[in-house]
Order: sequence, then C-alpha cells, then structure tokens
Amino acid sequence: QVQLVQSGAEVKKPGASVKVSCRASGYTFSDYYMEWVRQAPGQGLEWMGRINAKSGGTQYAQKFQGRVTMTRDTYINTAYMEVNSLTSDDTAVYYCASGGDSRSPVGGSWYAPWGQGTPVTVSS
Amino acid sequence: DIVMTQSPDSLAVSLGERATITCKSSQSVLSSSNNKNYLAWYQQKPGQPPKLLIYWASTRGSGVPDRFSGSGSGTDFTLTISSLQAEDVAVYYCQQYYSTPPDTFGQGTKLEIK
Repeated sequence: QVQLVQSGAEVKKPGASVKVSCRASGYTFSDYYMEWVRQAPGQGLEWMGRINAKSGGTQYAQKFQGRVTMTRDTYINTAYMEVNSLTSDDTAVYYCASGGDSRSPVGGSWYAPWGQGTPVTVSS
Repeated sequence: DIVMTQSPDSLAVSLGERATITCKSSQSVLSSSNNKNYLAWYQQKPGQPPKLLIYWASTRGSGVPDRFSGSGSGTDFTLTISSLQAEDVAVYYCQQYYSTPPDTFGQGTKLEIK
C-alpha cells in the first residue's frame, strides 16, 4: 500500500539543526511532489514547503526561507527536510505528505497520504 | 497569501445528527480555466496525522464514507457530515491549493459529541 514512513522523534538544543527523513513506498516516488507541514503543540497545520521528487526543485514558505532545506534521494525513495538554527518555537510535529504531480511546475494539490509525523522538541 | 477562515472553532453535535463546518477564503479559489475549486478538507484524530477527506471541494477521497460531503464555490465552502458517528470526533481543516506557494490551511474546527 501507499505509505510514508518518517524518522523518529528528536530532541535538540537551541541553535542546533535537525534533519527529518520520509521514506515512500507503494508508488512511484518521482511522480509526485513531497510536501512538508508542521504542527506546534495544540495548534493548526503550517505549510513549510515542497520538493519536486523528480527534478529536486523546491518551494519554501517565506517564513522558512534560508533556514530550511529540502532534498531527496530517488534511489532510496526518501525525502529529507533539514531545519537550522532551532528555537523553542520550532517545537512541533513535522509531517511529510505526498502532493501533486511532479510534471506540474507549480505543485499545488491535496495531500495524501501523510507520514506518521516526527516530533521535534527544542529545549535547553 | 490566501487566508482561510473556518467557523465555528468548535462544535458539539448529537450522534446521528448533521454536522456542518464552513470555510471561507480571502480570495476565490475557483479556476476559470478548468472550473474547479482548489479546496481540500482533512480530518485529524488525536495523535494521528491528518487524513484527506475531500478534494476539488466536493470529491471524496479514497475510502471516505459517503456521510461526508463537500460543497461550495469561489470563496465559501462547507463540509457536512450527514449523520454523526462516534468515530467522527476530530479536528477538521480546510486547505486551498489554488494560489501557491504557499498552500494555506484554515485554523481548524474541533468536532465533539453532544
């Protein structure tokens, strides 16, 4: 079945970086964008950006420009998201989700499926 | 950026009754080129990732029960659960994917049993 499996929970100190992975199975990884969304404790969903799994092209939310890097490895069907200069405000659950057709230059689409989420805690 | 506003923030409905959640976008998400509304709905149960319910404003996702329906066009949309079941307790989000980046979500509506 179509599935996204994310890496495990992380605890980081302020100023550190975290890299979350998302491994896809059950579909052709490079046919779709991979979206990244985060959810702070008790809060709603916040779109962070997306990567075109075929071309590697990225789009980031302005808020995260310069601090987030999304990459992918098509040989192992895995997408990565790295966040630098962490603060306590980055404490959240980070989700990957399969998005739109990678042939689209824009990438906007609904998301399905979603990964199980990776909790990231930033604390001194 | 398009701002998505849901109402109410929370609601309580009796089992078997209808539940209605609305979502308003600050700009139209209707494409004139294909006459489609770029609007999706998700359900998130506690401790779980969101699950796609509806896309193109009214098309149910794979395996979604037919008691869930979506309607609306342009800037005003509705998610309706025709007969509330206990397993429908969740937070519901709308998302626009018309003007992107960024994709934007509503703030969420918490649905409980009365």
